[in-house]
Amino acid sequence: KNQVEQSPQSLIILEGKNCTLQCNYTVSPFSNLRWYKQDTGRGPVSLTIMTFSENTKSNGRYTATLDADTKQSSLHITASQLSDSASYICVVSPNTGFQKLVFGTGTRLLVSP
Amino acid sequence: GAVVSQHPSWVICKSGTSVKIECRSLDFQATTMFWYRQFPKQSLMLMATSNEGSKATYEQGVEKDKFLINHASLTLSTLTVTSAHPEDSSFYICSASDRAGPDTQYFGPGTRLTVL
Repeated sequence: KNQVEQSPQSLIILEGKNCTLQCNYTVSPFSNLRWYKQDTGRGPVSLTIMTFSENTKSNGRYTATLDADTKQSSLHITASQLSDSASYICVVSPNTGFQKLVFGTGTRLLVSP
Repeated sequence: GAVVSQHPSWVICKSGTSVKIECRSLDFQATTMFWYRQFPKQSLMLMATSNEGSKATYEQGVEKDKFLINHASLTLSTLTVTSAHPEDSSFYICSASDRAGPDTQYFGPGTRLTVL
């Protein structure tokens, strides 16, 4: 069964600190893996997208890594800001065109002043 | 580019009434549109997939007669919650893809439905 698990479930960090969120998946083969940021009461916004052949992708203070061998991905946030408080969702797209996306349950991040 | 809008952003209705939610792709043609439901502190759950001009494909456990989906044009899909009940209260999110299949989806901002 295709699954995506994220850890931790929730996280509180001080403003300015760095943090790393984890994503483990069983989807195989897969087309791409995306990290989304979802603010409370809003739709998900794409942060990064990586194909199976990519190891890392950056978007400003967000850096995603991918290890296709261990089926793990991480999202590293540098110099956190209060506006980073949100849920971060890992989403894997199977490598068969019409299979639905597999969503992780998300990590809720709270950046405290 | 690739902007998806939803209307309304929030709606409150009485139990037993029907509510329509619109999803529009503003700057691209959406071959496929998806409707998701999200309960508090949970991830998105796919309800149905629709392709322009054809009937929607519903996920297991989703009542097609209760959640009516229409994808009449390449830029508009609607979700109608019929005879809404309090348990239908949720956050409904649509997404759109400019190609067949779910690989590239652009998400809308969501619609908060509260049924009293």
